[in-house]
Amino acid sequence: AQTVTQSQPEMSVQEAETVTLSCTYDTSESDYYLFWYKQPPSRQMILVIRQEAYKQQNATENRFSVNFQKAAKSFSLKISDSQLGDAAMYFCAYIAGANSKLTFGKGITLSVRP
Amino acid sequence: KAGVTQTPRYLIKTRGQQVTLSCSPISGHRSVSWYQQTPGQGLQFLFEYFSETQRNKGNFPGRFSGRQFSNSRSEMNVSTLELGDSALYLCASSSPAGQRAEAFFGQGTRLTVV
Repeated sequence: AQTVTQSQPEMSVQEAETVTLSCTYDTSESDYYLFWYKQPPSRQMILVIRQEAYKQQNATENRFSVNFQKAAKSFSLKISDSQLGDAAMYFCAYIAGANSKLTFGKGITLSVRP
Repeated sequence: KAGVTQTPRYLIKTRGQQVTLSCSPISGHRSVSWYQQTPGQGLQFLFEYFSETQRNKGNFPGRFSGRQFSNSRSEMNVSTLELGDSALYLCASSSPAGQRAEAFFGQGTRLTVV
């Protein structure tokens, strides 16, 4: 069975600094996708960044980038120049196969100190 | 383009009652998935519907059921409510269905069972 593990329940970062959120996963599939979702207090899940397993290049979206280590099954999210609006719960998620079932990690609560 | 709409936003029910939650996907999206979010279990997949057919189901008891209509709107029903069913229920739509599609989430329905 596929599993996604986020071992850090909480993290804190100073505004304008950089923070890295960790995620590991376990799968026997060779073709899959990994995601980081953000859930602010409004509760709406927002896609932050997506990584295709077959791509060696790490995905980047503005201040957000990932470090995808396929052999180690590691998928960390780096947030640069942290902003107060980045404070939220962040979920690592995985999908494979022909359906749309997302497997989520437990999430990490990120706080940003002004 | 309107986002995913879930109704109602909040619901309070008594143990033993049943409840129906509604999800209207983004126009043109044919895949709708449901997730249950609780502090203890995190985000868990309930089921996915595509073109009015249940395509995938999570590990939930038969009290949890769903359906999808020809306009892709989906409903989920929980019968004989238990205290442990208190949770945030999230709906996500995507198109085309499959791992390459980004899942767009609604703001959820907060169900409280008393």
